[in-house]
Amino acid sequence: AQSVAQPEDQVNVAEGNPLTVKCTYSVSGNPYLFWYVQYPNRGLQFLLKYITGDNLVKGSYGFEAEFNKSQTSFHLKKPSALVSDSALYFCAVSPLNRDDKIIFGKGTRLHILP
Amino acid sequence: GAVVSQHPSWVICKSGTSVKIECRSLDFQATTMFWYRQFPKQSLMLMATSNEGSKATYEQGVEKDKFLINHASLTLSTLTVTSAHPEDSSFYICSALGAGGNQPQHFGDGTRLSIL
Repeated sequence: AQSVAQPEDQVNVAEGNPLTVKCTYSVSGNPYLFWYVQYPNRGLQFLLKYITGDNLVKGSYGFEAEFNKSQTSFHLKKPSALVSDSALYFCAVSPLNRDDKIIFGKGTRLHILP
Repeated sequence: GAVVSQHPSWVICKSGTSVKIECRSLDFQATTMFWYRQFPKQSLMLMATSNEGSKATYEQGVEKDKFLINHASLTLSTLTVTSAHPEDSSFYICSALGAGGNQPQHFGDGTRLSIL
């Protein structure tokens, strides 16, 4: 079955420290991979996506993600966390190599501690 | 950047009422729009996919007579929750996809529906 796993319900990071939010996927073929962020009572904001090419994808607000095909992972990273980065982060995959129907992970709540 | 407006942002109504939620793409034409439902502390569940001028495609387990979707123009899709009951209370989010390749989905800010 096609799926996206975010193994951590919550991640706590001190402000200024690097952060990583983990994501692994189980999809046949070469999927599109996404990261979205959701603030309270808001919709999702697009951060970045991987289609092909360079395994390190740079996105909005200083975030980046590294695609690792052998480990089927797409972890989200940022070198120096800000308190304003505190939010709910969703990893998602489009198994059909398209931007339409996508499968979301369950989300990881990121807390940046001042 | 692309903007999707969703209205209303919050609805509280009595059981048995029908509620309409609008999703508009403000600065691009959305060939495809999606409707999601999100339960507290859970991920988004795709309810249906709508393409302009055609019938929506519903995901398994979603009642099409309960959740009516209309995509009459390239900038507007509506979701009507008919005869809403307390179990329909949830956070509903729409997203829109423009024409052309390699476009990410752009999401509205969601509608919190509370049925008393």
